[in-house]
Amino acid sequence: AQKITQTQPGMFVQEKEAVTLDCTYDTSDPSYGLFWYKQPSSGEMIFLIYQGSYDQQNATEGRYSLNFQKARKSANLVISASQLGDSAMYFCAMREGEAEGGGADGLTFGKGTHLIIQP
Amino acid sequence: KAGVTQTPRYLIKTRGQQVTLSCSPISGHRSVSWYQQTPGQGLQFLFEYFSETQRNKGNFPGRFSGRQFSNSRSEMNVSTLELGDSALYLCASSIGDRNTGELFFGEGSRLTVL
Repeated sequence: AQKITQTQPGMFVQEKEAVTLDCTYDTSDPSYGLFWYKQPSSGEMIFLIYQGSYDQQNATEGRYSLNFQKARKSANLVISASQLGDSAMYFCAMREGEAEGGGADGLTFGKGTHLIIQP
Repeated sequence: KAGVTQTPRYLIKTRGQQVTLSCSPISGHRSVSWYQQTPGQGLQFLFEYFSETQRNKGNFPGRFSGRQFSNSRSEMNVSTLELGDSALYLCASSIGDRNTGELFFGEGSRLTVL
Protein backbone atom coordinates (compact mmCIF):
# COMPACT_ATOMS: atom_id res chain seq x y z
CA ALA A 1 0.00 0.00 0.00
CA GLN A 2 1.09 3.55 -0.70
CA LYS A 3 2.44 5.23 2.40
CA ILE A 4 1.96 8.72 0.98
CA THR A 5 -0.86 9.48 -1.42
CA GLN A 6 -1.22 12.70 -3.35
CA THR A 7 -4.39 12.44 -5.39
CA GLN A 8 -3.95 15.55 -7.52
CA PRO A 9 -1.42 14.96 -10.31
CA GLY A 10 -1.91 18.52 -11.56
CA MET A 11 -3.72 21.70 -10.58
CA PHE A 12 -4.39 25.02 -12.28
CA VAL A 13 -5.08 27.95 -9.97
CA GLN A 14 -5.63 31.65 -10.55
CA GLU A 15 -3.06 33.98 -9.11
CA LYS A 16 -3.93 35.32 -5.64
CA GLU A 17 -6.29 32.47 -4.89
CA ALA A 18 -5.67 30.08 -2.00
CA VAL A 19 -4.55 26.56 -2.89
CA THR A 20 -4.98 23.30 -1.00
CA LEU A 21 -2.76 20.38 -1.97
CA ASP A 22 -3.96 17.05 -0.64
CA CYS A 23 -1.84 14.47 1.14
CA THR A 24 -2.88 11.36 3.02
CA TYR A 25 -0.49 9.00 4.72
CA ASP A 26 -0.44 5.52 6.13
CA THR A 27 1.59 4.47 9.14
CA SER A 28 1.21 2.44 12.31
CA ASP A 29 4.12 4.21 13.95
CA PRO A 30 2.88 6.67 16.62
CA SER A 31 5.91 8.89 16.07
CA TYR A 32 6.38 10.38 12.63
CA GLY A 33 7.06 13.61 10.84
CA LEU A 34 5.37 15.07 7.79
CA PHE A 35 7.11 17.34 5.31
CA TRP A 36 6.19 19.39 2.29
CA TYR A 37 8.72 20.28 -0.38
CA LYS A 38 8.53 22.40 -3.51
CA GLN A 39 10.54 21.39 -6.56
CA PRO A 40 10.80 23.97 -9.35
CA SER A 41 12.03 22.96 -12.78
CA SER A 42 15.62 23.54 -11.66
CA GLY A 43 15.38 20.37 -9.58
CA GLU A 44 16.19 21.67 -6.13
CA MET A 45 13.92 20.43 -3.35
CA ILE A 46 12.88 23.44 -1.28
CA PHE A 47 11.71 22.75 2.26
CA LEU A 48 8.37 24.40 2.99
CA ILE A 49 6.92 23.11 6.25
CA TYR A 50 7.16 20.33 8.85
CA GLN A 51 4.62 18.78 11.21
CA GLY A 52 5.50 16.31 13.94
CA SER A 53 2.90 13.73 14.88
CA TYR A 54 2.87 14.95 18.48
CA ASP A 55 2.58 18.62 17.59
CA GLN A 56 -0.68 19.98 18.97
CA GLN A 57 -0.96 22.90 16.59
CA ASN A 58 -0.92 23.01 12.83
CA ALA A 59 2.40 24.17 11.46
CA THR A 60 2.60 27.51 9.67
CA GLU A 61 5.44 29.15 7.72
CA GLY A 62 4.55 32.45 6.12
CA ARG A 63 2.03 31.78 3.33
CA TYR A 64 2.20 28.04 3.96
CA SER A 65 0.18 26.16 6.52
CA LEU A 66 -0.31 22.48 7.09
CA ASN A 67 -3.83 21.28 7.82
CA PHE A 68 -3.00 18.28 10.02
CA GLN A 69 -5.91 15.94 10.71
CA LYS A 70 -4.35 13.06 12.60
CA ALA A 71 -7.43 10.85 12.88
CA ARG A 72 -7.96 11.07 9.13
CA LYS A 73 -4.21 10.69 8.45
CA SER A 74 -4.32 13.81 6.36
CA ALA A 75 -1.68 16.53 5.99
CA ASN A 76 -2.85 18.98 3.37
CA LEU A 77 -0.71 21.97 2.41
CA VAL A 78 -2.49 25.30 2.15
CA ILE A 79 -0.88 28.15 0.21
CA SER A 80 -2.56 31.47 0.79
CA ALA A 81 -2.59 34.20 -1.87
CA SER A 82 -0.82 32.17 -4.56
CA GLN A 83 1.85 33.80 -6.71
CA LEU A 84 3.19 33.00 -10.17
CA GLY A 85 6.43 31.84 -8.55
CA ASP A 86 4.52 29.12 -6.72
CA SER A 87 4.27 27.14 -9.95
CA ALA A 88 6.23 23.93 -9.31
CA MET A 89 5.97 20.30 -8.26
CA TYR A 90 4.94 19.83 -4.64
CA PHE A 91 5.83 16.72 -2.69
CA CYS A 92 4.44 15.46 0.57
CA ALA A 93 6.77 13.19 2.53
CA MET A 94 6.79 11.25 5.78
CA ARG A 95 9.52 10.03 8.07
CA GLU A 96 8.61 7.33 10.55
CA GLY A 97 10.28 6.68 13.87
CA GLU A 98 10.72 10.30 14.91
CA ALA A 99 11.07 9.45 18.60
CA GLU A 100 14.06 11.12 20.18
CA GLY A 101 17.08 8.91 20.05
CA GLY A 102 15.30 6.32 17.97
CA GLY A 103 16.29 5.09 14.57
CA ALA A 104 14.30 6.45 11.69
CA ASP A 105 14.17 5.58 8.03
CA GLY A 106 14.52 8.08 5.26
CA LEU A 107 11.68 10.11 3.85
CA THR A 108 8.93 8.37 1.92
CA PHE A 109 7.64 10.68 -0.79
CA GLY A 110 4.34 10.91 -2.60
CA LYS A 111 4.17 11.12 -6.38
CA GLY A 112 3.75 14.88 -6.26
CA THR A 113 1.29 17.51 -7.49
CA HIS A 114 2.19 19.77 -10.40
CA LEU A 115 0.81 23.19 -9.49
CA ILE A 116 0.46 25.85 -12.16
CA ILE A 117 -0.49 29.37 -11.17
CA GLN A 118 -2.18 31.31 -13.94
CA PRO A 119 -2.14 35.13 -14.17
CA LYS B 1 24.64 30.46 5.70
CA ALA B 2 25.50 28.36 2.67
CA GLY B 3 23.08 25.64 1.67
CA VAL B 4 23.70 22.05 0.72
CA THR B 5 26.20 21.84 -2.13
CA GLN B 6 26.30 18.97 -4.57
CA THR B 7 28.91 18.34 -7.24
CA PRO B 8 28.95 17.76 -10.09
CA ARG B 9 25.60 19.18 -11.16
CA TYR B 10 25.50 17.26 -14.43
CA LEU B 11 27.41 14.29 -15.73
CA ILE B 12 27.23 11.73 -18.49
CA LYS B 13 28.60 8.21 -18.15
CA THR B 14 28.38 5.01 -20.14
CA ARG B 15 27.15 1.62 -19.01
CA GLY B 16 29.63 -0.29 -16.89
CA GLN B 17 31.43 2.80 -15.63
CA GLN B 18 31.34 3.99 -12.08
CA VAL B 19 30.51 7.42 -10.69
CA THR B 20 31.15 9.34 -7.48
CA LEU B 21 28.92 12.19 -6.36
CA SER B 22 29.77 14.62 -3.61
CA CYS B 23 27.66 16.46 -1.06
CA SER B 24 28.68 19.18 1.39
CA PRO B 25 26.02 19.68 4.07
CA ILE B 26 24.99 22.90 5.75
CA SER B 27 27.55 23.96 8.34
CA GLY B 28 26.76 22.31 11.66
CA HIS B 29 24.68 19.55 10.13
CA ARG B 30 25.96 16.07 10.91
CA SER B 31 23.46 13.94 9.01
CA VAL B 32 23.54 13.47 5.25
CA SER B 33 21.05 11.40 3.32
CA TRP B 34 20.80 10.54 -0.36
CA TYR B 35 17.79 10.12 -2.61
CA GLN B 36 17.29 9.02 -6.19
CA GLN B 37 14.61 10.66 -8.31
CA THR B 38 13.40 9.13 -11.57
CA PRO B 39 10.23 9.77 -13.60
CA GLY B 40 9.09 6.19 -13.11
CA GLN B 41 9.90 5.51 -9.46
CA GLY B 42 9.73 9.02 -8.08
CA LEU B 43 11.87 9.90 -5.07
CA GLN B 44 13.46 6.98 -3.26
CA PHE B 45 15.66 6.89 -0.19
CA LEU B 46 19.15 5.50 -0.73
CA PHE B 47 20.94 5.83 2.61
CA GLU B 48 21.72 8.13 5.49
CA TYR B 49 25.00 8.86 7.23
CA PHE B 50 25.49 10.36 10.66
CA SER B 51 28.87 10.92 12.28
CA GLU B 52 30.62 8.88 9.57
CA THR B 53 28.35 5.85 10.10
CA GLN B 54 25.59 4.60 7.87
CA ARG B 55 22.49 4.92 10.01
CA ASN B 56 19.84 3.75 7.55
CA LYS B 57 19.68 2.19 4.12
CA GLY B 58 16.98 2.00 1.49
CA ASN B 59 16.22 -0.86 -0.85
CA PHE B 60 18.95 -0.47 -3.45
CA PRO B 61 21.51 -3.00 -4.71
CA GLY B 62 25.04 -3.11 -3.38
CA ARG B 63 26.30 -1.20 -6.43
CA PHE B 64 25.13 1.89 -4.56
CA SER B 65 27.39 2.83 -1.69
CA GLY B 66 28.36 5.88 0.25
CA ARG B 67 30.52 7.25 2.96
CA GLN B 68 30.81 10.27 5.20
CA PHE B 69 33.95 12.06 6.25
CA SER B 70 34.84 13.62 9.58
CA ASN B 71 33.81 17.07 8.28
CA SER B 72 30.35 15.63 7.50
CA ARG B 73 30.87 15.82 3.74
CA SER B 74 29.52 12.75 2.01
CA GLU B 75 30.10 10.89 -1.20
CA MET B 76 28.01 8.30 -2.92
CA ASN B 77 29.32 5.86 -5.47
CA VAL B 78 27.52 3.82 -8.09
CA SER B 79 29.53 1.05 -9.70
CA THR B 80 28.84 -0.85 -12.92
CA LEU B 81 26.37 1.74 -14.12
CA GLU B 82 23.16 0.64 -15.80
CA LEU B 83 20.84 2.66 -18.03
CA GLY B 84 18.26 2.66 -15.25
CA ASP B 85 20.64 4.53 -12.97
CA SER B 86 19.98 7.68 -14.97
CA ALA B 87 18.38 9.97 -12.42
CA LEU B 88 18.59 13.09 -10.34
CA TYR B 89 20.52 12.28 -7.17
CA LEU B 90 19.60 14.52 -4.28
CA CYS B 91 21.47 14.99 -1.06
CA ALA B 92 19.83 16.28 2.11
CA SER B 93 21.38 17.44 5.35
CA SER B 94 20.07 17.86 8.85
CA ILE B 95 21.45 18.52 12.29
CA GLY B 96 20.86 14.88 13.13
CA ASP B 97 18.15 15.35 15.72
CA ARG B 98 15.07 13.81 14.16
CA ASN B 99 12.74 15.98 16.18
CA THR B 100 13.71 19.27 14.61
CA GLY B 101 12.17 18.65 11.24
CA GLU B 102 15.10 20.37 9.55
CA LEU B 103 15.96 18.51 6.40
CA PHE B 104 17.34 20.58 3.54
CA PHE B 105 18.18 19.41 0.05
CA GLY B 106 20.80 20.44 -2.44
CA GLU B 107 20.16 21.12 -6.12
CA GLY B 108 21.05 17.59 -7.09
CA SER B 109 23.42 15.84 -9.47
CA ARG B 110 21.80 14.83 -12.73
CA LEU B 111 23.35 11.61 -14.01
CA THR B 112 22.77 10.35 -17.54
CA VAL B 113 23.94 6.84 -18.39
CA LEU B 114 24.33 6.07 -22.10
